Amino acid sequence: AQTVTQSQPEMSVQEAETVTLSCTYDTSESNYYLFWYKQPPSRQMILVIRQEAYKQQNATENRFSVNFQKAAKSFSLKISDSQLGDTAMYFCAFMPLGGSEKLVFGKGTKLTVNP
Amino acid sequence: EAGVTQFPSHSVIEKGQTVTLRCDPISGHDNLYWYRRVMGKEIKFLLHFVKESKQDESGMPNNRFLAERTGGTYSTLKVQPAELEDSGVYFCASSQRVGEYGNTIYFGEGSWLTVV
Repeated sequence: AQTVTQSQPEMSVQEAETVTLSCTYDTSESNYYLFWYKQPPSRQMILVIRQEAYKQQNATENRFSVNFQKAAKSFSLKISDSQLGDTAMYFCAFMPLGGSEKLVFGKGTKLTVNP
Repeated sequence: EAGVTQFPSHSVIEKGQTVTLRCDPISGHDNLYWYRRVMGKEIKFLLHFVKESKQDESGMPNNRFLAERTGGTYSTLKVQPAELEDSGVYFCASSQRVGEYGNTIYFGEGSWLTVV
């Protein structure tokens, strides 16, 4: 069975600083996608960043980047220059290829950006 | 472009009653998913529609849950009769074409269900 573990239930960071959210996963699959989703309070969950397992280069989207370590099954999210609008629940998710495209989520990390 | 919309946003019902949640996916999206998050736990997959057909319903907890997708458009998730452990947030999501793995999956805001 595939599992995703987010070991930090809550984190906080000062505005403009950098924070890293951790995520590890367990799978026997060789081809898969990894995702970070963000859900601000009372709003929709939106995709932050996506990583294809076959790509060695770490994905980057503006202030968001990942550190993907396939052998270690680790997929951490780094947020640079944190902004108040980054306050949200962050979910790490895994999707194996070749199946029904269902996502396997971690429990989430609640990130608070303080002014 | 309208996103994934869900109704109701919040619902409080008594144990034994019936609740129906509705989801309108993004127009043109063939894939529609239901997920659930019970407090303090992971978001769990419930089922996946491709157009009007159930592709995978392996996550449905039991036969008190019934999902339908009329004409491949909107979907409903009915819980009958509701139990206390059904409380949680029910998310609907949609994505574009079948067979294009890794399509961005768009989520709704969720329907909060409280069974008392």
